[in-house]
Amino acid sequence: DAGVTQSPTHLIKTRGQQVTLRCSPKSGHDTVSWYQQALGQGPQFIFQYYEEEERQRGNFPDRFSGHQFPNYSSELNVNALLLGDSALYLCASSLAGVKYEQYFGPGTRLTVT
Amino acid sequence: AQSVTQLDSQVPVFEEAPVELRCNYSSSVSVYLFWYVQYPNQGLQLLLKYLSGSTLVKGINGFEAEFNKSQTSFHLRKPSVHISDTAEYFCAVSGTGFQKLVFGTGTRLLVSP
Repeated sequence: DAGVTQSPTHLIKTRGQQVTLRCSPKSGHDTVSWYQQALGQGPQFIFQYYEEEERQRGNFPDRFSGHQFPNYSSELNVNALLLGDSALYLCASSLAGVKYEQYFGPGTRLTVT
Repeated sequence: AQSVTQLDSQVPVFEEAPVELRCNYSSSVSVYLFWYVQYPNQGLQLLLKYLSGSTLVKGINGFEAEFNKSQTSFHLRKPSVHISDTAEYFCAVSGTGFQKLVFGTGTRLLVSP
């Protein structure tokens, strides 16, 4: 049973560029959440997708957007990259009816230069 | 809104010694509480969770935590640590509604021989 997978593992972008990160949830899960973990910090909630819609959003600007596909996989898009967007981006999947069990992927390390 | 405070940024300990990692939370509503572990260059792994019932929760790898509602604490303990326990530990809280997790800033556990 495959767990949560994320791609790519590492990514280097230049300020002002756009980036797309991908996440495949654990088999059977229908909800995907995205978190940003800056160096030396705890993860911060970006948003959550369920039934292809954004269900809840954290305190992140509109430059951060997402999408969920019919197969429950998800993308995180960040436009107009800033140096401060450099972080580990974590995807977590869960089952909507089970509110307390989130499984995290290994993350995508984004470096903005 | 919820918040989490992890009082120690780093805890050094010798192998086979006991350890306690402290976590305090703030919330105006009922919460679920979690401890996650993050090994270098990896995602987050759930150690244990408190949902309801017994205030002493046992998790994986010999860890346990005690929920104290009056002190709004959820401290993590292990009676005898191993070198392999060296990692970053995050305490997290969520409301009983949406699954958004709010994390503390983490405690680095350093186990030396």
